[in-house]
Amino acid sequence: EAGVVQSPRYKIIEKKQPVAFWCNPISGHNTLYWYRQNLGQGPELLIRYENEEAVDDSQLPKDRFSAERLKGVDSTLKIQPAELGDSAVYLCASSLDLGGLAGTEQFFGPGTRLTVL
Amino acid sequence: AQSVSQHNHHVILSEAASLELGCNYSYGGTVNLFWYVQYPGQHLQLLLKYFSGDPLVKGIKGFEAEFIKSKFSFNLRKPSVQWSDTAEYFCAVKSYNTDKLIFGTGTRLQVFP
Repeated sequence: EAGVVQSPRYKIIEKKQPVAFWCNPISGHNTLYWYRQNLGQGPELLIRYENEEAVDDSQLPKDRFSAERLKGVDSTLKIQPAELGDSAVYLCASSLDLGGLAGTEQFFGPGTRLTVL
Repeated sequence: AQSVSQHNHHVILSEAASLELGCNYSYGGTVNLFWYVQYPGQHLQLLLKYFSGDPLVKGIKGFEAEFIKSKFSFNLRKPSVQWSDTAEYFCAVKSYNTDKLIFGTGTRLQVFP
């Protein structure tokens, strides 16, 4: 079974430039997550999709960050313009959320390491 | 706000030593608990999880963790570590109330032969 796919794996840009990350979740997973992981920290949720609906984007800096999951499958995360402080690893995860009280496991992709110069 | 604390930031052990990594969380309601591992150059992988039932859960590669509700803890243990256990370990908690997975800051484990 293919895991969560992310591209690119690495990206170096100058500040004020735009950048986009792409994620393809595990087939059949209805829930998709974008996390940011700063150096020496654990991942922090940016946005969560259930199918094509963003159900939690409270941590997404909406002035410069945007995300979409148009057909409820793959997703893109964009930063425009990038700032020095955006340097981090951006992780995508997916899960099959059946609702109710059942616990769900998130499967993570390899991440995109962004360096803003 | 919900938070997860991992007390050990960097642990260095020799092979065959026993391991215990601490994890405490702040939320008092019903939670799901996870330990994830990130081996060098690889992505985050699930080590083990607790949803309900027996508070002692066993994961892959000989790891286990015990959920102690009264202490808000979910410590990770392994009786005898191997060099291949060198990795970063993250504790994570998801509450039913917020449905958000909160990670600790991670513990870097180095095992020397």
